[in-house]
Amino acid sequence: ILNVEQSPQSLHVQEGDSTNFTCSFPSSNFYALHWYRWETAKSPEALFVMTLNGDEKKKGRISATLNTKEGYSYLYIKGSQPEDSATYLCAFVNAGNNRKLIWGLGTSLAVNP
Amino acid sequence: DTGVSQNPRHKITKRGQNVTFRCDPISEHNRLYWYRQTLGQGPEFLTYFQNEAQLEKSRLLSDRFSAERPKGSFSTLEIQRTEQGDSAMYLCASSLGTGYWTEAFFGQGTRLTVV
Repeated sequence: ILNVEQSPQSLHVQEGDSTNFTCSFPSSNFYALHWYRWETAKSPEALFVMTLNGDEKKKGRISATLNTKEGYSYLYIKGSQPEDSATYLCAFVNAGNNRKLIWGLGTSLAVNP
Repeated sequence: DTGVSQNPRHKITKRGQNVTFRCDPISEHNRLYWYRQTLGQGPEFLTYFQNEAQLEKSRLLSDRFSAERPKGSFSTLEIQRTEQGDSAMYLCASSLGTGYWTEAFFGQGTRLTVV
């Protein structure tokens, strides 16, 4: 059974704090790792798609790293703002013929002004 | 509008009725996915299409669920004889390419309530 776990489940930070959360996935059979942001009443929006071990991607104040050998990815937010409040989802894609996105349950981030 | 469009946005139906949802993907995208999300859960895979071919259907889906994508453009998801457990947000997403190295673009979902 392919399992994707995200931690923490929820997080409350103050505006200006930097924060990070974790996505753990099976280290064998890796194909790709996706990160999405899902704001309330909106549809999920892609942040990053990562495929290479050691990959690091950045979009503004948000960055992500990938370790396929140990099966984890970190998402970092520098200087959190209230508009960063959302659920951050990761999805693992397994290699092989039967590829699909396998989703974690998300980390819910609340940034207090 | 160049995004993924889903209709209707909300649907309330009585138990036992049939419902159909529509998804219009981004026009050049060849892959289309359907997901379901219930309260407190991440998106749950239902099925996906590559062009008009339905390549995979979740084992969690009962025979009451069927999806089509005629001509490889829009897709419909039909639920027959709805049950209260079918109440959820139904999300459609599309992507370009044959792999999973490109991001998926989601519609805003159809929220189904079965009473």
